[in-house]
Amino acid sequence: QQQVKQSPQSLIVQKGGISIINCAYENTAFDYFPWYQQFPGKGPALLIAIRPDVSEKKEGRFTISFNKSAKQFSLHIMDSQPGDSATYFCAASKGATNKLIFGTGTLLAVQP
Amino acid sequence: ETGVTQTPRHLVMGMTNKKSLKCEQHLGHNAMYWYKQSAKKPLELMFVYNFKEQTENNSVPSRFSPECPNSSHLFLHLHTLQPEDSALYLCASSQTGTSGAKETQYFGPGTRLLVL
Repeated sequence: QQQVKQSPQSLIVQKGGISIINCAYENTAFDYFPWYQQFPGKGPALLIAIRPDVSEKKEGRFTISFNKSAKQFSLHIMDSQPGDSATYFCAASKGATNKLIFGTGTLLAVQP
Repeated sequence: ETGVTQTPRHLVMGMTNKKSLKCEQHLGHNAMYWYKQSAKKPLELMFVYNFKEQTENNSVPSRFSPECPNSSHLFLHLHTLQPEDSALYLCASSQTGTSGAKETQYFGPGTRLLVL
């Protein structure tokens, strides 16, 4: 039973384009939604995170859009660069727990 | 990157072997985690330790045995594993707080395990 569904599985974007990765969740008790970025040979690293009391959070070229009623959130990478090529994971957690539920990941390739 | 280190980086073992994975965090955190990462599957949380006490065991088979001697070190002891246990095993750490704020989990580079 997967509680966080992520799509697409892979994505190819041209340099300068917009990369969009989507996630949907089932548990309305989730109250924290981070995105992690993983390069080959490295562990995941926190990229950006959002709480459900806001609909959007932006950090540089990375933006999270959050739709509480639809139980969906997405990562937008503006002006995508070859250095952004990595696997991206969405995740969710609830309450005071430090237990993260991860999506299946999206392999992003940005072509020069 | 020296925040969270894991050794070995690669491990090949037979189903009858016994081996251990080691994780060390240099961030002063008080929570540590073991995750399993398999291809095309979500990262699976295996164990959580808070202040050296195990607070989460996500229905992990007993052939995986964690050990947390102190807040900086975490081990995963492996015995009689199966080929389907082949995966990347990731360690992470975080600083649990009392404010209710979510703490970032910092991951190590992982141990790539192959069970023959």
